[in-house]
Amino acid sequence: EVQLVESGGGLVQPGGSLRLSCAASGFTFSSYWMSWVRQAPGKGLEWVANIKQDGSEKYYVDSVKGRFTISRDNAKNSLYLQMNSLRAEDTAVYYCARDRNDILTGYLDYWGQGTLVTVSS
Amino acid sequence: DIQMTQSPSSVSASVGDRVTITCRASQGISSWLAWYQQKPGKAPKLLIYAASSLQSGVPSRFSGSGSGTDFTLTISSLQPEDFATYYCQQANSFPNTFGQGTKVEIK
Repeated sequence: EVQLVESGGGLVQPGGSLRLSCAASGFTFSSYWMSWVRQAPGKGLEWVANIKQDGSEKYYVDSVKGRFTISRDNAKNSLYLQMNSLRAEDTAVYYCARDRNDILTGYLDYWGQGTLVTVSS
Repeated sequence: DIQMTQSPSSVSASVGDRVTITCRASQGISSWLAWYQQKPGKAPKLLIYAASSLQSGVPSRFSGSGSGTDFTLTISSLQPEDFATYYCQQANSFPNTFGQGTKVEIK
């Protein structure tokens, strides 16, 4: 059974940093593109970033470029999102998700349960 | 960035009704479109990919159509478990943007 379990969320002050993790199991993690998607409270979904199987390609939404870094450790079956210079508008539930194919499609077939990041003083 | 606009923002319907949700892209995306269902407090669920392909395990009452800039999600006979919010997502180019969502509510 495919499972994605996020962790690392919490309350952080504006300007602070946080590192999210996503532990994957039930599939060959190193074979899939992985993504982070967020959802602000009561709002819609926003794609944040994704990363190629070997980490050689990474893409970001403009609003997080230069502040967030997506990475992965295939030996640990884990995906990460390092978030720096956090702003109030980064407050959201952050989901990790898997691409449905080993070739990049952008379609996300498995999602974690999400981890809440709150940026507030 | 490609903007995705869904309509309506919400729809009230009864069990057994046919429901149609539309999604328009600000520029052509061929068939690079997905539909997701999200229930409160839960992660989104992939329903349709490549505009019209049904994801494994998704009931056949869900269908998708369209290409280019205009797309449709249809629920042929609404079931109680279908009351949720639905999102379209373009996968043609980065960033892979989502529509604002359509909430399907009980009439």
